[in-house]
Amino acid sequence: GENVEQHPSTLSVQEGDSAVIKCTYSDSASNYFPWYKQELGKRPQLIIDIRSNVGEKKDQRIAVTLNKTAKHFSLHITETQPEDSAVYFCAALMDTGRRALTFGSGTRLQVQP
Amino acid sequence: DTAVSQTPKYLVTQMGNDKSIKCEQNLGHDTMYWYKQDSKKFLKIMFSYNNKELIINETVPNRFSPKSPDKAHLNLHINSLELGDSAVYFCASRGTGGEETQYFGPGTRLLVL
Repeated sequence: GENVEQHPSTLSVQEGDSAVIKCTYSDSASNYFPWYKQELGKRPQLIIDIRSNVGEKKDQRIAVTLNKTAKHFSLHITETQPEDSAVYFCAALMDTGRRALTFGSGTRLQVQP
Repeated sequence: DTAVSQTPKYLVTQMGNDKSIKCEQNLGHDTMYWYKQDSKKFLKIMFSYNNKELIINETVPNRFSPKSPDKAHLNLHINSLELGDSAVYFCASRGTGGEETQYFGPGTRLLVL
């Protein structure tokens, strides 16, 4: 089955700096890659996603890049703010079969004011 | 914010008891999921239903039994609760066709004493 690895497990940045979180996946059949943000005690919420026919997608301060050949994708947050502090999860979804998300292990991002 | 709802939000119970968690979505989605998030924040798929039909049943003890009375509801019944069942359980739903986004419920925090 699919396996998703996520790094780093914790990330501390100064307000205004950029943050990058990286994920690799194992199954080349995966074609949808969402990123979720989970604040303490809250539900995971989708912040951005990318499909395999696209190499990059941007939404204001958040961008995701995908390298299908290398089977890795990354989340980039620019001009970080204290409210960006949360746990971020990457995930991968295969086009066929199970159609359930396989999540990475999460990255705890702390933005220092 | 109430698109996917779960009850109860908190559940504290003794080992050996039987408990149920309910999930409802008003998004008109066909597919619903149960995920378990353990103390290390790792999110893992447990079950998936599509139009009341079980699609995914991961390696979950048979003490866990999902039930889908209709496509808007997916309940989770747990028999003979064990300490290791303590976790946050998230329900999620997804639309049909090319819609891949999964929307999560607020979670049910289960503590088994």
